Amino acid sequence: QQQVKQSPQSLIVQKGGISIINCAYENTAFDYFPWYQQFPGKGPALLIAIRPDVSEKKEGRFTISFNKSAKQFSLHIMDSQPGDSATYFCAASIGGGTSYGKLTFGQGTILTVHP
Amino acid sequence: GAVVSQHPSRVICKSGTSVKIECRSLDFQATTMFWYRQFPKQSLMLMATSNEGSKATYEQGVEKDKFLINHASLTLSTLTVTSAHPEDSSFYICSAAGDLPYTFGSGTRLTVV
Repeated sequence: QQQVKQSPQSLIVQKGGISIINCAYENTAFDYFPWYQQFPGKGPALLIAIRPDVSEKKEGRFTISFNKSAKQFSLHIMDSQPGDSATYFCAASIGGGTSYGKLTFGQGTILTVHP
Repeated sequence: GAVVSQHPSRVICKSGTSVKIECRSLDFQATTMFWYRQFPKQSLMLMATSNEGSKATYEQGVEKDKFLINHASLTLSTLTVTSAHPEDSSFYICSAAGDLPYTFGSGTRLTVV
């Protein structure tokens, strides 16, 4: 019940295209859903996060879409650039308010953006 | 923004020796710190959760006597890999949470030879 399933495992997109990564969860107690970007040899960096009281959040070229009834959320990267080539992880946790429970990570998606 | 400093970034040690990794929150108080392990092309695997001044809570399958965690202050947590063996070679990452949500360190590449 703690799993977060992420797809696809890898994604190749042309420069300027839209990259879409999907995640599904089972535990309805999750209340914080972040996306992280990780470059080789570095720690994950927070891209954008959403709480279940909103269905969409946009920050620059990055958008999270959240479907509470389907228990799914996705990351959309608009106008993808070669510099976006990295591994992306979705995650979920309980207690995303004043206390932060442990994060459950998806399996990761390796994104390659061709110039 | 929040910054978590992790040192060293790379360490090579001989089998049987111990290695200490430090994780510091530079501009916020981290009431909770998390330690992860990541193998190549895999996701992050949580090893343990520590709260300042308390004993760490280890995930199932993680040897607490081998991976010693100390969270003595609101800005510093350390992970000591004791009697390291080649199978302990991995990428170790800390994360801090408190006034601000999870912020990750830059990771430590441990190689045991």
